[in-house]
Amino acid sequence: GENVEQHPSTLSVQEGDSAVIKCTYSDSASNYFPWYKQELGKRPQLIIDIRSNVGEKKDQRIAVTLNKTAKHFSLHITETQPEDSAVYFCAAKGTYKYIFGTGTRLKVLA
Amino acid sequence: DVKVTQSSRYLVKRTGEKVFLECVQDMDHENMFWYRQDPGLGLRLIYFSYDVKMKEKGDIPEGYSVSREKKERFSLILESASTNQTSMYLCASITGTGPYEQYFGPGTRLTVT
Repeated sequence: GENVEQHPSTLSVQEGDSAVIKCTYSDSASNYFPWYKQELGKRPQLIIDIRSNVGEKKDQRIAVTLNKTAKHFSLHITETQPEDSAVYFCAAKGTYKYIFGTGTRLKVLA
Repeated sequence: DVKVTQSSRYLVKRTGEKVFLECVQDMDHENMFWYRQDPGLGLRLIYFSYDVKMKEKGDIPEGYSVSREKKERFSLILESASTNQTSMYLCASITGTGPYEQYFGPGTRLTVT
């Protein structure tokens, strides 16, 4: 069946450094790729998304890149801050369903 | 501002009990989803619904059923709760025509003893 692989499962970076999280999807019909941030005890919140007809999207310190040929997409966070510490999930959407990655716990060390 | 609410934040039930989890959204969204979230496994889709009275199985439907009698309400039912159904349950909704952002409820942490 369809799946999304996400790496790494945990990531520690020094404040101010960059963080990169990578996902690979299997369903070639996927056309929408969101990234969610989930802080402890809170619901997932969308932080950035990209559609299949776009290769890159940026929003301030956050960017997402998509390689449809390789079925890879990545989240890039620059100039990390302590408040970026959270669990991040990627997802790939087909016709109705969203398939989520298993999550990356990001720790930004002050 | 989209609001998705769930009937309980925390729930403790005994093995064998029938459990109802309710989700309500106020944005007239066509599509609604139930996920369970477990450490290291991400969010796994249990069931979804793309219209009133319509439902589709997700990836892990065994032991669960759903009901959608009204557009704004999507219920998850555990017919006979078991300890392996102890988990965080998240509801989400989206409009059927895009944009495709899923709006999540606050979650229900269910413990089955």
